[in-house]
Formats: sequence, structure tokens, C-alpha cells
Amino acid sequence: EVQLVQSGAEVKKPGESLKISCQASGYRFTTYWIGWVRQMPGKGLEWMGYIYPSDSDTRYSPSFEGQVTISADKSITTIYLQWTSLKASDTAMYYCVRDIVEAGSSGFYHWGQGTEVTVSS
Amino acid sequence: QSALTQPASVSGSPGQSITISCTGTNTDVGSYNLVSWYQQHPGKVPKLIIYEVTKRPSGVSDRFFGSKSGNTASLTISGLRAEDEADYYCWSYAGRPWVFGGGTRLTVL
Repeated sequence: EVQLVQSGAEVKKPGESLKISCQASGYRFTTYWIGWVRQMPGKGLEWMGYIYPSDSDTRYSPSFEGQVTISADKSITTIYLQWTSLKASDTAMYYCVRDIVEAGSSGFYHWGQGTEVTVSS
Repeated sequence: QSALTQPASVSGSPGQSITISCTGTNTDVGSYNLVSWYQQHPGKVPKLIIYEVTKRPSGVSDRFFGSKSGNTASLTISGLRAEDEADYYCWSYAGRPWVFGGGTRLTVL
């Protein structure tokens, strides 16, 4: 059974750094695109970016490029989403997602439980 | 502003059919057969209900039907049920890669 288990909720101050995680299990980690989706309070879904763990090829939405960093650690089948300087506007729910098709970009069938990030002074 | 345009809301009565449109451009919806649809109930994790324009993941009801014509994709839900009331989002691969719609709130009257 495929599982994506995300790290717990975070409360941070503006300007702080943060790294959240998503541990994957139940499938061959290296050969599926896996990434992150943001949902701000009361708003829609936004694709942030994803990574292909086999070669660490990483693609970002133009809206998030340069704002966050996505990385993967194959040894522990975990991906990360990192900020160096949080803003209040980063307050959102962040979902880890995995594509339904091996090595494809077809749709995100598997979702983590979500990590709520609150940035407030 | 989302790259794909969806109606903000649609509604229908139990048993009826409704269609949600998703309009993109010839660089996304029109170029790739990689449109997907997600259903999200309030406070819940989104669920993939259609991928690659017409395919349904295992376990998704055949009341959900996806299609595409030119730059517009559509999701049709037949035999509306109360549990279909949710937000629906369309996404399309666009080579850079994914673009998405702002979501449509479906109300079952």
C-alpha cells in the first residue's frame, strides 16, 4: 500500500526558515514524480513543484521557483519542502503528492495527510 | 489568477447530470492529453477522479466522465448524489509542468 506520511504542523515567525518532510513507502520511490501542492486558507489547489528521485530532476511552478526548494533523500525515501525566509503569505496547508503513472505526469493519485504551516508574528 | 478557467459554481438536483468546463490554451489543455480532475470535500484531502482526460482511477464511480475538445476539458457527473457536493479542480500538464483551474463548487440542491 502506497503511503505518504508528512511531518506535523508548524508555527513559525516571519523570516524564519522551515523544512517539512514527506516519507513515502509501499512503492519504488525512485521512479515516480513526487512533489508538493499548496492550499491557502479558503483557496484552491496550487501545484508547487515535484522531483524525480532517481536523478533528482526537479521542476517548479514559475510561481514558486526561487521561493522554495524541493529535495529528496533516496536512502530514507523522503522528500522535503524548504523555505529560507518565511512570509505570512506562506500560511497554508501543504500536501505531498505522487503521480499515478510510473515515470509519468498524469495526475496525483496519492496524497499525504497535509502539513499545516502558520506564519505569524 | 489561475491559468485554467472554471466556473465558480454549478448546481444540480439529485439524479441529474452536470458538466464542469475547464478552458485552457493550445499550450496546455489543447496540447496534451494530460488533464486531470480532483474532488475535494470541505476539510478533506483532495482525491483524483479523472486522469489523462478520460481515465478513472480504481474505485472511482463510473458516474464521473472526462472529455476534451480543443482547449476545453469537461467533467460530467451523472446521477448526482448528495455526496458529490464538493469542490472540483481541473489540472493540465503544460510542459512547465502543471497548470490548474481555480476550482468549481458543486452544490446538490
